[in-house]
Amino acid sequence: EVQLVESGGGLVKPGGSLRLSCAASGFTFSSYSMNWVRQAPGKGLEWVSSISSGSTYIYYADSVKGRFTISRDNAKNSLYLQMNSLRVEDTALYYCARGIAAAGNYFDYWGQGALVTVSS
Amino acid sequence: DIQMTQSPSSLSASVGDRVTITCRASQGISDSLAWFQQKPGKAPKSLIYAAYRLQSGVPSKFSGSGSGTDFTLTISSLQPEDFATYYCQQYNSYPFTFGPGTKVDIK
Repeated sequence: EVQLVESGGGLVKPGGSLRLSCAASGFTFSSYSMNWVRQAPGKGLEWVSSISSGSTYIYYADSVKGRFTISRDNAKNSLYLQMNSLRVEDTALYYCARGIAAAGNYFDYWGQGALVTVSS
Repeated sequence: DIQMTQSPSSLSASVGDRVTITCRASQGISDSLAWFQQKPGKAPKSLIYAAYRLQSGVPSKFSGSGSGTDFTLTISSLQPEDFATYYCQQYNSYPFTFGPGTKVDIK
């Protein structure tokens, strides 16, 4: 069974940093692209970042470019999102999602999310 | 960036109704279109990819169609468990973008 479990969320002050993790199980992690998607309270879904299976290709939304860094450790079956210079508008539930690269990086499985709250 | 719009933004329907949601892309995306269902307090769930292909385990009452810029999601006979918010998403090019969502609730 495919499982994605996010962790590392919490309350942080504006300008602060946080690192999210996504632990994957039930599939060959190194064969799949991975993604982060966020959802602000009461709002819709916003794509944040994607990373290819071997970390060769990395993409970011303009809203986080230069502040967030996506990475993965295939030996540990883990995906990460390092978030620096956090802003109030980064407050959201952050989901990791598995991508099917052969199908254009379509997101087939999602984790339950990690809540990030940026507030003074 | 490719903008995604959905209509309607919300709808009220009865159990057994046939429901259709429309998604439009601001430029052609071929068939790189996915649909997700999200219930309150839950993670999104994949329903359809490549515009019409059903994700494994998704019941056949869900169907998708379209190509290029105009797409539809149809639920053939609405059941209580289908009341949720539905999002379309283009994955033709980065940045990936989602539609604003369509909330389906009980009439």
